[in-house]
Amino acid sequence: ETGVTQTPRHLVMGMTNKKSLKCEQHLGHNAMYWYKQSAKKPLELMFVYSLEERVENNSVPSRFSPECPNSSHLFLHLHTLQPEDSALYLCASSQVTRTSGNTDTQYFGPGTRLTVL
Amino acid sequence: AQKVTQAQTEISVVEKEDVTLDCVYETRDTTYYLFWYKQPPSGELVFLIRRNSFDEQNEISGRYSWNFQKSTSSFNFTITASQVVDSAVYFCALSVINMLTFGGGTRLMVKP
Repeated sequence: ETGVTQTPRHLVMGMTNKKSLKCEQHLGHNAMYWYKQSAKKPLELMFVYSLEERVENNSVPSRFSPECPNSSHLFLHLHTLQPEDSALYLCASSQVTRTSGNTDTQYFGPGTRLTVL
Repeated sequence: AQKVTQAQTEISVVEKEDVTLDCVYETRDTTYYLFWYKQPPSGELVFLIRRNSFDEQNEISGRYSWNFQKSTSSFNFTITASQVVDSAVYFCALSVINMLTFGGGTRLMVKP
C-alpha cells in the first residue's frame, strides 16, 4: 500500500448504528486530519492530530469521535448520526515541525462516502 | 480569519481550449502557503502545487501554469489545450500555521 488509504470506501448506516472509519498513511508523516465534504458546504476540517496534540473544529458535533493510536492510523467513530451527516469523509496526512506548523502539503486518501438513512 | 473564494462554480469548455480557474484569498498573515488540488470523480484530492507567500514567480508544469499575484491576492490556474481527462473539481486552498482553508471549488467539464 502507498499513500493514504481509507476503509470502507462506502458505508450506509442507520441513525442508531455505531460504525468507524479507518485511515492509514504510508508516507511516514506525523500529522493526520479528518475533513468533511458535503454538497452544501466547502471542505470542512473536523479534527487534526499533529505533534501529539489534537485540534478540533468546535462546530463538529459530539457524535463524531476521533482516535489516533499512532502516527500512521486514524479512526473516526460514528454514533447516532443524522441524515445531514451524509457526506464524503476525507483523511489526509502531512509532515509538520514545530516551526512550520501545519503548512506542509497535505496528502489525501480516496474518502469514505457515508450515507445515513 | 482566512478566506478563499473561487467565484466560478462551474466551467464548461471544448477539448483543446485554454481555461483559467480563478482564486482570490484573504489573510492578514504575511507568511502563508497556497495550494491547488484536483478532485476527479473518484473523490480523492490530488495535490497539484504549493506556493509560499514570498515566492511570486509563476510556475509552469506541462499544460498547467499558475499565476500568483500578491497585489491582487490571487492565485490563478491555467490549463492549456484542455483534455477530457482534466474534467474534475479544482480546489484552491490557503494555509496559515495551523489551518488549511479551502475555496468552494470550480467544476471543470471538458467536452470532446
